[in-house]
Amino acid sequence: DVKVTQSSRYLVKRTGEKVFLECVQDMDHENMFWYRQDPGLGLRLIYFSYDVKMKEKGDIPEGYSVSREKKERFSLILESASTNQTSMYLCASSLLVRDEGQYFGPGTRLTVT
Amino acid sequence: QQQVKQSPQSLIVQKGGIPIINCAYENTAFDYFPWYQQFPGKGPALLIAIRPDVSEKKEGRFTISFNKSAKQFSLHIMDSQPGDSATYFCAASKRKGYALNFGKGTSLLVTP
Repeated sequence: DVKVTQSSRYLVKRTGEKVFLECVQDMDHENMFWYRQDPGLGLRLIYFSYDVKMKEKGDIPEGYSVSREKKERFSLILESASTNQTSMYLCASSLLVRDEGQYFGPGTRLTVT
Repeated sequence: QQQVKQSPQSLIVQKGGIPIINCAYENTAFDYFPWYQQFPGKGPALLIAIRPDVSEKKEGRFTISFNKSAKQFSLHIMDSQPGDSATYFCAASKRKGYALNFGKGTSLLVTP
């Protein structure tokens, strides 16, 4: 089975801190994605990556950056956390050509105080 | 700007009923339309997906109906069970495997 793991299930950080959210997938997927999920807003795409060292902005990239140094790992970085970044963060991965959809990790519930 | 509009926001049906969740899109470049199911505390999981060259796809009790001219698609759950209680998201992308545009989700409760 494809497994997407995220470094933390719950995280509490203070305003202004730099926050790293890590995601690892074990199926050699080319594509990796970061979404945030908020009640009533669904899932919104922050950043995605189709290959190592490449990245593309999604719908809401402001306040975030990403890093993909290895194919299996995709990191989301909050440069200076703010309270409006309190959310559930979901990582996903997929193969480029097979019709299996995206596989999601369990999510990280981040609270910024 | 929400590229995929989903309704209703919530839905309650009795066991055995057929809940229907509807989605609409504007971007005619979309050609892959998956549905995801999410249980509390879990990430979304792919349920069923359709391409615009077919009007209907069934997998078990789940059916997608697709109307290309109206730019609408819907999920029907036949003989719904309490275990189907979850949040359902429709989505669309320009190609399978690429970034998805999600609807806002529908919270489904199936009562015994």
